[in-house]
Amino acid sequence: GIQVEQSPPDLILQEGANSTLRCNFSDSVNNLQWFHQNPWGQLINLFYIPSGTKQNGRLSATTVATERYSLLYISSSQTTDSGVYFCAASTQGGSEKLVFGKGMKLTVNP
Amino acid sequence: DAGVIQSPRHEVTEMGQEVTLRCKPISGHNSLFWYRQTMMRGLELLIYFNNNVPIDDSGMPEDRFSAKMPNASFSTLKIQPSEPRDSAVYFCASSRGAGGRETQYFGPGTRLLVL
Repeated sequence: GIQVEQSPPDLILQEGANSTLRCNFSDSVNNLQWFHQNPWGQLINLFYIPSGTKQNGRLSATTVATERYSLLYISSSQTTDSGVYFCAASTQGGSEKLVFGKGMKLTVNP
Repeated sequence: DAGVIQSPRHEVTEMGQEVTLRCKPISGHNSLFWYRQTMMRGLELLIYFNNNVPIDDSGMPEDRFSAKMPNASFSTLKIQPSEPRDSAVYFCASSRGAGGRETQYFGPGTRLLVL
């Protein structure tokens, strides 16, 4: 099945800094999503982005499907951005189930 | 919309007992997913339904686990008998359309502890 790898595994930032999270996947995808799991455990969908670029406020994401990676950008980070960020993908022609990466823990200090 | 609703939010039980987790998907969503999250294995898909029919249950760990979706607005995940290694957070998610090609919305999860 598809392999989903995220980097870096952990990141500590000062409030106001920018960051880039990377997700590599091993196969062609028909679905690529980014999620944020807050410190209370709630999983929030950030982007559905199998290709192209999307922006939502301080967050944006780009997926280059032909090169099998996706990037999540966080600008002017805030303490509320802390938590774990997951990338998840499903393959074209596969069972369509999402396979999650191991996540990246972000800590934003005031 | 209220989002995906799960109950109970927390469950503590003893080994050997039956556990039933419940999920109400977002109205109008055709697909429903059950996930399990543990420190060791991360987030894993257990089973997903489309139009109330199980499509992929390859993630169900063993026969002790079973899932049903009797109608479009309700699903259950049952563990019988439960074991300590089943302790985890169980998430339900739903999406429009088929399978994994749509945005998935997660419920708050059920935190299960089996003693």
